[in-house]
Formats: sequence, structure tokens, C-alpha cells
Amino acid sequence: DAKTTQPTSMDCAEGRAANLPCNHSTISGNEYVYWYRQIHSQGPQYIIHGLKNNETNEMASLIITEDRKSSTLILPHATLRDTAVYYCIVRGSGGSYIPTFGRGTSLIVHP
Amino acid sequence: DAGVIQSPRHEVTEMGQEVTLRCKPISGHDYLFWYRQTMMRGLELLIYFNNNVPIDDSGMPEDRFSAKMPNASFSTLKIQPSEPRDSAVYFCASSLGSGNSPLHFGNGTRLTVT
Repeated sequence: DAKTTQPTSMDCAEGRAANLPCNHSTISGNEYVYWYRQIHSQGPQYIIHGLKNNETNEMASLIITEDRKSSTLILPHATLRDTAVYYCIVRGSGGSYIPTFGRGTSLIVHP
Repeated sequence: DAGVIQSPRHEVTEMGQEVTLRCKPISGHDYLFWYRQTMMRGLELLIYFNNNVPIDDSGMPEDRFSAKMPNASFSTLKIQPSEPRDSAVYFCASSLGSGNSPLHFGNGTRLTVT
């Protein structure tokens, strides 16, 4: 079973920030939070990951709460091409190494 | 790097036939994963390899499914005999061997069994 909980769907206006939440209340100390997205008929694409600190790259920002039980993926200026299913997973070493995907959040960016 | 390469992109076969899906991981990656995606069940892990050795095949649905990794640059997933319920998109992914390393997915093989 996936160790994360995400809303089933969200929508966002083009040009606005999209904030996608994820709960991972059972995360352990050595597990990272990863975000992927899947555009229809393509393989999941890696976006960003983090352990404790907030992270930013050219695609998105990742905000992790201090207790690490939840996180938010931020797409600062959503475009129509950001319409996709977004998956949040936790992954560590050893027994928790196996990446398990839940149903993700279907994000629709509208004009 | 060209990324993870899967072939064929699409496969249509008749029930009872053998199907072989192929994957070339990213060079240097020591973990390889096979996933299956359907509308009903989402993205399921079938099996994964570390350094060409199968580590966990508990996700393989039944004995009709088998996977091999004869070397670091090639893996196959075989279904024999195929059934209509095997219709799905099959993804291969690879990564380096640590929790601090993302998976890189191929674009999948869409299998249709009639």
C-alpha cells in the first residue's frame, strides 16, 4: 500500500500557482519525499525530491513541514502543459526502498 | 544519455501467444523495476532487480509472467501464454542504488491481448 495520501483531483488557472498537497504521516527518518508526474500515455517523470529542507529546481518547489508528515509541491506559474497526474511517494533505503505509487492527484490547468 | 528505452512501443497479440517486452536501463544504474499500469489498479510494481539479480518478484501476478536481466544493459518481461486481462501499459524504470536517487521511467509498452 502507498504510504502517502493525496487529493484525487485539483484544478488551477493558467499562470497561477498550483499547490499540490501530500500527507505522509508515517514517514521514517531516512525516507525521502519524491514527486513525479505522468502526462497521458507517457512514463512518470521525476520532478523533485527532498529529505528535510525545502527544495527548488527549474520545474517546481517542494515544501516539507518541520515534522515531515506532509509536503506541498508548488508549480509557480502553471501552464496548460502541466495538466497531468502528480504522484507523491516516500522512499528510503533498505526495506523501504521499493517505490510504491498511489493514485496521485489529477491536476487540470484551465485557460 | 537516451534515458530508459523500452520496446516495442505497442504490442497487439492474440490470447495464448507469448509476449516479450524489452528494456534498456540507463547506463550505470544498478536497479531496474518493472511496473504495470491499468485503470483499475493504477501503477503496480511487478518485480525489481539489483545488479542483475531479482530481489522481489512478489508483484508478479502468476507463473505466466517471468522476467530476466542477463546483463546490466538489458531486461525482458515475458508473458506466456498471454490473456486479455494482461492488457495494460508496462513500464520499466531504473535508478542508482540509494534512497536519494530518483527513478527514471521509459515510455512504456502498451500491450493489447485480444
